[in-house]
Amino acid sequence: TQLLEQSPQFLSIQEGENLTVYCNSSSVFSSLQWYRQEPGEGPVLLVTVVTGGEVKKLKRLTFQFGDARKDSSLHITAAQPGDTGLYLCAGESFGGGTSYGKLTFGQGTILTVHP
Amino acid sequence: NAGVMQNPRHLVRRRGQEARLRCSPMKGHSHVYWYRQLPEEGLKFMVYLQKENIIDESGMPKERFSAEFPKEGPSILRIQQVVRGDSAAYFCASSPAQAITDTQYFGPGTRLTVL
Repeated sequence: TQLLEQSPQFLSIQEGENLTVYCNSSSVFSSLQWYRQEPGEGPVLLVTVVTGGEVKKLKRLTFQFGDARKDSSLHITAAQPGDTGLYLCAGESFGGGTSYGKLTFGQGTILTVHP
Repeated sequence: NAGVMQNPRHLVRRRGQEARLRCSPMKGHSHVYWYRQLPEEGLKFMVYLQKENIIDESGMPKERFSAEFPKEGPSILRIQQVVRGDSAAYFCASSPAQAITDTQYFGPGTRLTVL
């Protein structure tokens, strides 16, 4: 069974601070995705990383995929109250000889940014 | 282009009743995934279906739960004789194919409450 350990579970910071969320596993994933979920809604994809060592930037968000494709991080610079939400990492499994999109999710990080 | 549709958004059932959750994938998507989310937790994979076929149901309880994706119409997740522990948010996601980088688009979810 593949597991993704996401940390921290809760994060409460002031506007303008930086933060990093981590996603770790002992398993290798074909890709890793980061989602943001608002209360009462479904997850919305932020980014997909596929190549080991890959770094992607989305405005103030920086995503990194570990060289061994077992871990990832999300770094937010100068957090704003609008960044408040649940952040989820999800790894996509190799399905034997046929890869398919079954996702293994981390437990999530509830981020609160205070004005 | 309409997104993934789920209905109902909220469903209340008494113990022992049946719950039927519907998911209409995005136009052109033939792959559907169902996930369950308990409060303040990440999503857990339940089942992966293509049209008229169940590809992987390894995350679905063997009793009382069933899923289908008929040739015509939405995908249905059916829970018979519901119990309080079935209370959760159920999300479906769809993708156009099973390539590694194909994004899964999530619906808004159905919140099931069992009284």
